[in-house]
Amino acid sequence: GESVGLHLPTLSVQEGDNSIINCAYSNSASDYFIWYKQESGKGPQFIIDIRSNMDKRQGQRVTVLLNKTVKHLSLQIAATQPGDSAVYFCAEKGEGGTSYGKLTFGQGTILTVHP
Amino acid sequence: DGGITQSPKYLFRKEGQNVTLSCEQNLNHDAMYWYRQDPGQGLRLIYYSQIVNDFQKGDIAEGYSVSREKKESFPLTVTSAQKNPTAFYLCASRALGSQETQYFGPGTRLLVL
Repeated sequence: GESVGLHLPTLSVQEGDNSIINCAYSNSASDYFIWYKQESGKGPQFIIDIRSNMDKRQGQRVTVLLNKTVKHLSLQIAATQPGDSAVYFCAEKGEGGTSYGKLTFGQGTILTVHP
Repeated sequence: DGGITQSPKYLFRKEGQNVTLSCEQNLNHDAMYWYRQDPGQGLRLIYYSQIVNDFQKGDIAEGYSVSREKKESFPLTVTSAQKNPTAFYLCASRALGSQETQYFGPGTRLLVL
């Protein structure tokens, strides 16, 4: 079946460093990918998304890279701040209208930023 | 103030009791979703609805029921048939069409007494 997984369950960085969170996916037909940030006890918050016809997309302090050859997705956070500490999830959406927008979520990576 | 609201924030269920979790959105989104999140795990889809008066089972629908009588509301009932209901429940919504992003509510934590 489809699966989305993360290479590292935890990541600790110093404030000001750049962070890279990785995600592997198995469904080569997936056409849309999203990164969410979830703080403790709260709902996931949309960070950035990317379609399969792109390999890079930038937002404010964040960049998502998509490597379809190796089915790998990464989230880069520049100048990481303590407020970035959270669990980060990647999710993929299968191709086509029959997928009803279903997202398959990874397990999540815990990012801890030390002052 | 637009967005998705869920209530209550915490809910306690007794053995054999049905409980209903509320989800409301004022984003004019067509599709709504319910997910369950267990500690250290990703989100799993319970039910989804793409239009009023229509809904479909997700991956773990057993022991749950939903209704979609209004576009802005998608309540989830956790029935007594759900033997392990303790979890964090998240509601999401999405505009149909080219918009793929699902936006989430703040969640309801359900605990069993």
